[in-house]
Amino acid sequence: DAGITQSPRHKVTETGTPVTLRCHQTENHRYMYWYRQDPGHGLRLIHYSYGVKDTDKGEVSDGYSVSRSKTEDFLLTLESATSSQTSVYFCAISGSGDGYTFGSGTRLTVV
Amino acid sequence: QQQVKQSPQSLIVQKGGISIINCAYENTAFDYFPWYQQFPGKGPALLIAIRPDVSEKKEGRFTISFNKSAKQFSLHIMDSQPGDSATYFCAAGGSSNYKLTFGKGTLLTVNP
Repeated sequence: DAGITQSPRHKVTETGTPVTLRCHQTENHRYMYWYRQDPGHGLRLIHYSYGVKDTDKGEVSDGYSVSRSKTEDFLLTLESATSSQTSVYFCAISGSGDGYTFGSGTRLTVV
Repeated sequence: QQQVKQSPQSLIVQKGGISIINCAYENTAFDYFPWYQQFPGKGPALLIAIRPDVSEKKEGRFTISFNKSAKQFSLHIMDSQPGDSATYFCAAGGSSNYKLTFGKGTLLTVNP
């Protein structure tokens, strides 16, 4: 979507390796979010940020860390990838904390 | 604990029919209830949203009905079209916590 880009779009990685996904926005929105989408589970919040260097955990944060050193970038790191982290990851942004704009997603496969 | 329950998981409707998807929430602090539409390979996109000060909101063929006392809200798609075939997510959030909790989604198929 315009104003938010995720990279990479697809990634295959090996179990035990660290992986970083990037979310970049040009909207200057305060709030940024990382969700994962899995069949039967819908969208589940991993971590979110309410400002530069201000982050908090979501409902499925174990095994993930985030960083936000600039307003425009929100990084999601899988510290040691496991097969259970194979998923589609979506970043979202919001100016007011409610209406979200989602990115196009990153499909991550851990083999 | 799932705070937003969505049903049905899947729905098949004939072209021209009405599609109805229901959601129930638990947290009475929620004050924002959006619906998102997602096509395969794409991110979810905001379709329509409602706040508890009104019981219904309509945008074109899409209507949200909201029942505050029952803590339920629903999406009605009138004159459903094959192009409406997608996954629909309801969500709920509050101005106090700046994050949305999503339902598990409904896969809608509209047959021609």
